[in-house]
Amino acid sequence: EAGVTQSPTHLIKTRGQQATLRCSPISGHTSVYWYQQALGLGLQFLLWYDEGEERNRGNFPPRFSGRQFPNYSSELNVNALELEDSALYLCASSRALTGNSPLHFGNGTRLTVT
Amino acid sequence: AQTVTQSQPEMSVQEAETVTLSCTYDTSESDYYLFWYKQPPSRQMILVIRQEAYKQQNATENRFSVNFQKAAKSFSLKISDSQLGDAAMYFCAYRTFLGGGADGLTFGKGTHLIIQP
Repeated sequence: EAGVTQSPTHLIKTRGQQATLRCSPISGHTSVYWYQQALGLGLQFLLWYDEGEERNRGNFPPRFSGRQFPNYSSELNVNALELEDSALYLCASSRALTGNSPLHFGNGTRLTVT
Repeated sequence: AQTVTQSQPEMSVQEAETVTLSCTYDTSESDYYLFWYKQPPSRQMILVIRQEAYKQQNATENRFSVNFQKAAKSFSLKISDSQLGDAAMYFCAYRTFLGGGADGLTFGKGTHLIIQP
């Protein structure tokens, strides 16, 4: 079974630009979660998608947005990049809304904003 | 809102010894799930073990076991016979019973585990 895949592995952008990160969930998983892991801050919840709908978002400004496609893959967009957006962005997937279904994580995208 | 606290930023243990990582959480719910994930330098978060709050029996996965104290809201991870490959960041995480909670998982800030050869 293929795991959660994220692309690109690394992304370098300049302040003010836009970044697009992509995630493909495990087959059969309909929920996709995005987390930001900044140095020293742990994992901060960004967005949750299920069945193509945004179910919830964390305490992040609107320039963080995304979507989920009919094949359940997902895209995270970060507009007007700021230096503090530099972080590891992790995507995770799980089966539908049951707490016993653990989240399976990808290897992340390292975003560097200069 | 739920919170998860890991009070040990870093722990060190000799290879083959046993180490316990602490985790406490705060919730008003009675049914929920708890997880331990490890994140090695490769960055991928790997599920180590999970515990259902309604089960009194502590979960065990090979060398990994938990001490779940529901009343105390404590969920510690014990690693027996530590191996060099266990070196990683360990995160404790909480999830609501139906999984329809606000954020999938609430994570602690992690404990960096060092294995001394």
